[in-house]
Amino acid sequence: DAKTTQPPSMDCAEGRAANLPCNHSTISGNEYVYWYRQIHSQGPQYIIHGLKNNETNEMASLIITEDRKSSTLILPHATLRDTAVYYCIVRGDQTGANNLFFGTGTRLTVIP
Amino acid sequence: NAGVTQTPKFRILKIGQSMTLQCTQDMNHNYMYWYRQDPGMGLKLIYYSVGAGITDKGEVPNGYNVSRSTTEDFPLRLELAAPSQTSVYFCASSYGGQGPYNEQFFGPGTRLTVL
Repeated sequence: DAKTTQPPSMDCAEGRAANLPCNHSTISGNEYVYWYRQIHSQGPQYIIHGLKNNETNEMASLIITEDRKSSTLILPHATLRDTAVYYCIVRGDQTGANNLFFGTGTRLTVIP
Repeated sequence: NAGVTQTPKFRILKIGQSMTLQCTQDMNHNYMYWYRQDPGMGLKLIYYSVGAGITDKGEVPNGYNVSRSTTEDFPLRLELAAPSQTSVYFCASSYGGQGPYNEQFFGPGTRLTVL
């Protein structure tokens, strides 16, 4: 699985869009980009995933660059409850462990 | 659906004691996982199972054992607790398969301290 690089921390004003970047320059063609978040030591929570195209769901949008070497998770209107550690994970379409390799993520703090 | 449940929520063990961390899911998922998370770090996979009767080691299996007799349950056993096993333990499950079916659902965690 490709390694990812994320900034260790970011701040965002409440009500504004939070844009969380992730670099995955060694991603291969069959690897998906997943985003999870972990709120205050709770279990991680799935947010969104994508392969090539941009994706949107009720929680967030995922923008993947055309060369797929980086992506951005967008929380359109951040609230205080979005304060969490956000993990960007890249993994392939494979059998076996199916596990997710979590790095240290980005700690997002939403400021009132 | 309760999702993934874990017991106990907290536990303090003395060095050399044993215990079992319980994990149950009610989503009929084939895949189940145990992770540990040390302070300020990401999660590391301990063991996983792709179905009842099938288990395999993850990244950090030493000091742990697992079993999977039913689809629902995936207990984690610590035989001789050591201070290095002080951590938060998360159980997770997924439908399994590949690609878009990898979404994992996590339990609330068990906070274990070994003194």
